[in-house]
Amino acid sequence: DAGITQSPRHKVTETGTPVTLRCHQTENHRYMYWYRQDPGHGLRLIHYSYGVKDTDKGEVSDGYSVSRSKTEDFLLTLESATSSQTSVYFCATQEDPSYTEAFFGQGTRLTVV
Amino acid sequence: ILNVEQSPQSLHVQEGDSTNFTCSFPSSNFYALHWYRWETAKSPEALFVMTLNGDEKKKGRISATLNTKEGYSYLYIKGSQPEDSATYLCAFIRGPDADKLIFGTGTRLQVFP
Repeated sequence: DAGITQSPRHKVTETGTPVTLRCHQTENHRYMYWYRQDPGHGLRLIHYSYGVKDTDKGEVSDGYSVSRSKTEDFLLTLESATSSQTSVYFCATQEDPSYTEAFFGQGTRLTVV
Repeated sequence: ILNVEQSPQSLHVQEGDSTNFTCSFPSSNFYALHWYRWETAKSPEALFVMTLNGDEKKKGRISATLNTKEGYSYLYIKGSQPEDSATYLCAFIRGPDADKLIFGTGTRLQVFP
């Protein structure tokens, strides 16, 4: 199995609080992604990174920020959590999107109350 | 088509039936098409990465074809088994950036014994 670890696996937080989710990889893949999974929407891209300190927005980036200070770690921050951000969050990594498959973490279930 | 579309949304078949799903995507600036299998309570796992028009890939009873000129890919499962029950996702990479993996909403397959 690819070495992708997400933490925490489950979190309940209150509206208005900041939350940070961590994705750690041991594969040395260049690309890392954060997706959210919601019923009826499949996986939607929040932000992604194409190298250390190189990040870009996905299709649902409002209310989220990311950072990648080293190859292994990609952090997703909800600046001020809202109930609409209750979701399951998946991290994925890839060496080359055009030719290689993506590997996924186990997911983080976030509930904002 | 501006995004990835999958059909049908869900499918129920009997054990032993063969089945197929469709993934439609924008045909311009095509880079790659991925198929993933996603079992409940697990993470998506790659089935195929396809890059060339006319590509055909096979893994056991599962195969896929790709038509980049008309913007579609088919996934076939021959002799479905209950363990094939899962959501099947396709994901598309488009130029010029070729660095974002954009997913469809998936086809949920349930195989009854």
